[in-house]
Amino acid sequence: DAKTTQPPSMDCAEGRAANLPCNHSTISGNEYVYWYRQIHSQGPQYIIHGLKNNETNEMASLIITEDRKSSTLILPHATLRDTAVYYCIVRDKYGGATNKLIFGTGTLLAVQP
Amino acid sequence: KAGVTQTPRYLIKTRGQQVTLSCSPISGHRSVSWYQQTPGQGLQFLFEYFSETQRNKGNFPGRFSGRQFSNSRSEMNVSTLELGDSALYLCASSPGTGEVQPQHFGDGTRLSIL
Repeated sequence: DAKTTQPPSMDCAEGRAANLPCNHSTISGNEYVYWYRQIHSQGPQYIIHGLKNNETNEMASLIITEDRKSSTLILPHATLRDTAVYYCIVRDKYGGATNKLIFGTGTLLAVQP
Repeated sequence: KAGVTQTPRYLIKTRGQQVTLSCSPISGHRSVSWYQQTPGQGLQFLFEYFSETQRNKGNFPGRFSGRQFSNSRSEMNVSTLELGDSALYLCASSPGTGEVQPQHFGDGTRLSIL
């Protein structure tokens, strides 16, 4: 079973920031938080990952709470092309000799014009 | 760098047939994982190969099998196809060693069973 909980859907106005929450209350010290998204009819796309510090790249920012039990993915200026299902995944730092990803049901983000 | 390439993109088969899907990972990546995506079950892990060895397997029947070649390219095979095997089959690659790194996915093969 997935170790994360996400809302099933969210709306966001084009040009505004999209804030996608994720709960991972059972996360352990060696586990990273990863975010992927899947645009319709494409494979999942890696967005960002983090361990305990906030992270930013050209696509998004990841804010992890101090107790690491939840995180928020921020898309600073959402566009229509950001409409997708967003998956939050917890992964062991060293993978336990496997790259298996356990996907939950994700959040369908609908960016409205 | 070229991304993960999956062939074919679309495939139509009938019940009882078998099918082979192909995945070419990103150059230098040695780990290849396969996933099945259906509307009812979502994205589910099938198996992972690293250096030509299967190192993890999901909860799928023995009709689902795979292999990896010395150049890291991978194939998966499904025998005795059933209607429920209709799905998007996704392949992902990563370097595969040391601290985990992001996996990169192809756009999948959409398999339809008639």
